[in-house]
Amino acid sequence: QVQLQQSGAELVKPGSSVKISCKASGYTFTSYDMHWIKQQPGNGLEWIGWIYPGNGNTKYNQKFNGKATLTADKSSSTAYMQLSSLTSEDSAVYFCARGIIRGFFDYWGQGVMVTVSS
Amino acid sequence: DIQMTQSPSFLSASVGDRVTINCKASQNINKYLDWYQQKHGEAPKLLIYNTNNLQTGIPSRFSGSGSGTDYTLTISSLQPEDVATYFCLQHSSRYTFGAGTKLELK
Repeated sequence: QVQLQQSGAELVKPGSSVKISCKASGYTFTSYDMHWIKQQPGNGLEWIGWIYPGNGNTKYNQKFNGKATLTADKSSSTAYMQLSSLTSEDSAVYFCARGIIRGFFDYWGQGVMVTVSS
Repeated sequence: DIQMTQSPSFLSASVGDRVTINCKASQNINKYLDWYQQKHGEAPKLLIYNTNNLQTGIPSRFSGSGSGTDYTLTISSLQPEDVATYFCLQHSSRYTFGAGTKLELK
């Protein structure tokens, strides 16, 4: 069965960076997009970008250019998102989700809470 | 960028009621519209994809319709386990979510 297992909660300081992971299993990792989505407390969902692990191609929501960097390791079937220059506005739950090519998201990770605080 | 306007923001209904939730796109999204259910503290779950296709394992009381800019999620007979927040997502051009509809039992 398809599973996306995300890394644990992070407490990080303003101005620092954090890298969160999403380990995929139960399907061919290189054949599907991997998307990342942000959800702030009480707020809706915001698409950050996708990576296609098959060739490393990425596409970002313009709002997250320079904030998020998406990578993928085919050998471990793991996708990563690094967030840089963190501020309180980056405190949120971040989800990874498998995407049917340029289509809908059919499986989601459990989410990672990132808290930016001094 | 395509904007999605979802309504209502909040909905209170009784068990057995027919419930409808709407999403309006700022331009034609050619039926590239999906619906997700998110229960408290959980990840969103795909219910309906490409306007009217029921995801495997989702009860048939959920259905979707629409075209052009206007789309609807319908729950034909509300069940207690349907209490959740519902989001629409367009994937015609990049990806934009609606703001969500919080559904509670009356």
